[in-house]
Amino acid sequence: DILMTQSPSTLSASVGDRVTITCRASQSISNWLAWYRQKAGKAPKLLIYEASTLESGVPSRFSGSGAGTEFTLTISSLQPDDFATYYCQHYNNHSPYTFGQGTKLEIK
Amino acid sequence: EVQLVESGGGLVQPGGSLRLSCAASGFTFSNYWMSWVRQAPGKGLEWVANIREDGEEIYYVDSMKGRFTISRDNAKNSVYLQVNSLRAEDTAVYYCARERAYSYGLFDSWGQGTLVTVSS
Repeated sequence: DILMTQSPSTLSASVGDRVTITCRASQSISNWLAWYRQKAGKAPKLLIYEASTLESGVPSRFSGSGAGTEFTLTISSLQPDDFATYYCQHYNNHSPYTFGQGTKLEIK
Repeated sequence: EVQLVESGGGLVQPGGSLRLSCAASGFTFSNYWMSWVRQAPGKGLEWVANIREDGEEIYYVDSMKGRFTISRDNAKNSVYLQVNSLRAEDTAVYYCARERAYSYGLFDSWGQGTLVTVSS
């Protein structure tokens, strides 16, 4: 199975900050990488797919990059709504779809 | 608007069984793969199983093969997860999720989840 590892596990930041979360895959997954945001007590929401394509309706302050085994999610200017937990996930074949362990973005 | 509504969770004793349901609306259900994803309290997301549009192709995470069974009824726009021989570690919120067409495992819509608690 492909192991997805995110860093950091927790990130403290302020409204207006630029933040970056990293996700590493244990083997190459090309660009088959998605990012989700999960607010407390809610279901995850798809933000980015194919490593860098913004899902419809997602604000442009979110961006993704990377290919192969290393990927990043960047939020250019944090808004209050962005304090949540973020997960990366590989997809697009029938091996188990694995998620990273999550990065909790907290208010500093 | 796409809607997925799970039901069937609850408190069950170790060794017990539950049948989780997910009712879909707002899209042509029979055109999509569907998945179940679970999340233990305070933990991350874990994919459980998925099922092809016609129900003829199914995959499970290895650790749940034999105890969990996914199925669907396209006439009722519903997907199900039968969970047997439940253990404390199966305690989690179980989400159903729609997989985007032509993108296996890309979850573009999620339900609100149903909580399964395994405890004596």
